[in-house]
Amino acid sequence: DAKTTQPTSMDCAEGRAANLPCNHSTISGNEYVYWYRQIHSQGPQYIIHGLKNNETNEMASLIITEDRKSSTLILPHATLRDTAVYYCIVSNAGNMLTFGGGTRLMVKP
Amino acid sequence: DAGVIQSPRHEVTEMGQEVTLRCKPISGHNSLFWYRQTMMRGLELLIYFNNNVPIDDSGMPEDRFSAKMPNASFSTLKIQPSEPRDSAVYFCASSLAARTETQYFGPGTRLLVL
Repeated sequence: DAKTTQPTSMDCAEGRAANLPCNHSTISGNEYVYWYRQIHSQGPQYIIHGLKNNETNEMASLIITEDRKSSTLILPHATLRDTAVYYCIVSNAGNMLTFGGGTRLMVKP
Repeated sequence: DAGVIQSPRHEVTEMGQEVTLRCKPISGHNSLFWYRQTMMRGLELLIYFNNNVPIDDSGMPEDRFSAKMPNASFSTLKIQPSEPRDSAVYFCASSLAARTETQYFGPGTRLLVL
């Protein structure tokens, strides 16, 4: 029972912003939206998370719609090293995170 | 901090042999997770511990798999006997519980069972 829906793959030109969408129409009021990424042959890496307000850190920005049914992860200036699988996860169950298929982002020169 | 440490990084074994994977979480973290990743099934949570106590092991595939956390700085995942379908990358992750759910993953152990 998937809680999130993401495109299977996306391309982005190096230096441009990468906007990765995620639908989570069944999100409940106390569930957070988390984003992780997994670069080839490495363990997943935490990027950012939010509840209802937009969030920004040194890696990315997270935009959550007002109804919280979808969100967008923004990498403002994508580099080749941002090529990875990006996972959008919703969770409120303590430390439990359930990873779906994610979006395979290819940053091209 | 060295991050989450896993050993071995690679393991090749024959069907029927016992396999033990090891994990050292980040110092001060009190939650530890074991995941398995395959092409077919993606990243699956096997078990997680909080304060060294197993909280949810519903993801452990069968009795051949067991996990222990004898203290806050060490955990093992054991497969006995191993089977070819156990071939996967096994990740360990740790987090500081309370109100944060960000998990820090180790580099993984690539297991190949022949």
